[in-house]
Amino acid sequence: AAGVIQSPRHLIKEKRETATLKCYPIPRHDTVYWYQQGPGQDPQFLISFYEKMQSDKGSIPDRFSAQQFSDYHSELNMSSLELGDSALYFCASREDSSNEQFFGPGTRLTVL
Amino acid sequence: KQEVTQIPAALSVPEGENLVLNCSFTDSAIYNLQWFRQDPGKGLTSLLLIQSSQREQTSGRLNASLDKSSGRSTLYIAASQPGDSATYLCARGYGNKLVFGAGTILRVKS
Repeated sequence: AAGVIQSPRHLIKEKRETATLKCYPIPRHDTVYWYQQGPGQDPQFLISFYEKMQSDKGSIPDRFSAQQFSDYHSELNMSSLELGDSALYFCASREDSSNEQFFGPGTRLTVL
Repeated sequence: KQEVTQIPAALSVPEGENLVLNCSFTDSAIYNLQWFRQDPGKGLTSLLLIQSSQREQTSGRLNASLDKSSGRSTLYIAASQPGDSATYLCARGYGNKLVFGAGTILRVKS
C-alpha cells in the first residue's frame, strides 16, 4: 500500500541557512500535518492543511512557513535556521472520512 | 493545556509475557485516541485507532481500550516478542491535531 513520502530523508544545514522539506500524502488523502520531534522528545504539532487551506496552527516559529499545493503535496519552508531546529520532521496525512493519521518516515534535519 | 501522560516510561520484560501500557489524558473532550510504535530514529507506525464512539480495538496480539470517563487508554500486548521492542506512543486527537505522550520504551528480552 502507498505510504506518505517525505524528502529529503536527511538534511544538513548551517545556521542561518534555509531548508525546504517536502511531503507527498497517501493518494486521496486531503489533509496534511507537520510535526517536529526533538531529540528524546515526543512529536509536537506544527501546522496542518485541508484542501490546500491552513486548517490549524501549533507551535510553529514565525521563521517557518508551509503550504499545500493543488496536487495535495505540502512543503515546509524553514528560514534563519537555528541549532535548536535540529530534529525529526514528520508529515502525516489523513483522508476526510477517517480520523486516523498516517505518518511518513520523517526528515532528519541537522543544523550545524 | 492538553496533556497526555504515559506510564511506565520504560519497561523490560522476558519474551512471552503479556503486558499493559497505560495512557492518561486530562481533557475529557470526546476525541479519538491513536497508538503508535516508533523504532529508534524511525517514523511512527500507526497500531490502533479508537474512535471517540468506541471502547476498544484489536489487531493481532494488540488490544487497545478507551475509557473516556476516567481519561485513560491501555494498550495490551499479548505474548510479547523481541521484535516488539520499540517506543510506544499514545496520541489524543484534539480537533485537527494529535497531542502525544512521552512514550513507553519497551524492551522484550529473548
